[in-house]
Amino acid sequence: GQNIDQPTEMTATEGAIVQINCTYQTSGFNGLFWYQQHAGEAPTFLSYNVLDGLEEKGRFSSFLSRSKGYSYLLLKELQMKDSASYLCAPMDSNYQLIWGAGTKLIIKP
Amino acid sequence: KAGVTQTPRYLIKTRGQQVTLSCSPISGHRSVSWYQQTPGQGLQFLFEYFSETQRNKGNFPGRFSGRQFSNSRSEMNVSTLELGDSALYLCASSLASTSYEQYFGPGTRLTVT
Repeated sequence: GQNIDQPTEMTATEGAIVQINCTYQTSGFNGLFWYQQHAGEAPTFLSYNVLDGLEEKGRFSSFLSRSKGYSYLLLKELQMKDSASYLCAPMDSNYQLIWGAGTKLIIKP
Repeated sequence: KAGVTQTPRYLIKTRGQQVTLSCSPISGHRSVSWYQQTPGQGLQFLFEYFSETQRNKGNFPGRFSGRQFSNSRSEMNVSTLELGDSALYLCASSLASTSYEQYFGPGTRLTVT
């Protein structure tokens, strides 16, 4: 079957760095998305990885290892506004996104 | 450019009734996907429409159906509502398919009593 595993909740301090891990098992693979969702709001796109390696975009970076079925989202210089849920979503062979339950990130001053 | 809009934003129905939700994608986007989101369950994929054709379908019962019109607007229908259908229903549009960045609407909060 298809499965996504992310930590349910993480806590970090403002200004620090946090890494949110995601492991996945899918029927085929066509890339992996990360989305951010603030409470009560719709998800918004953060990153898309289809090849192995690190993609950097400002304070956010995303890493992918296809052989290990593993990805992480790295958030640097944390700000209070980064408090949100982070959703990992690999795409299977049918180009269907398989969504994890998300990781709720709590930023403390 | 206007974002994805969904109507209504909130809805309360009773068991056994049916409901229709509407989604207007971003202008120029031809792919519309529907998701159900419940606390702790993450996003559950319902279906994707492209050029008025259902291209992909998730594992939901036949009570859940949808359609897309020639202007790319989409509707989702749930018949014979059950208490477990209470959830946030999100619609997302993208240029051509879910392999592109998806833009989500604000969602419709459905409560079934």
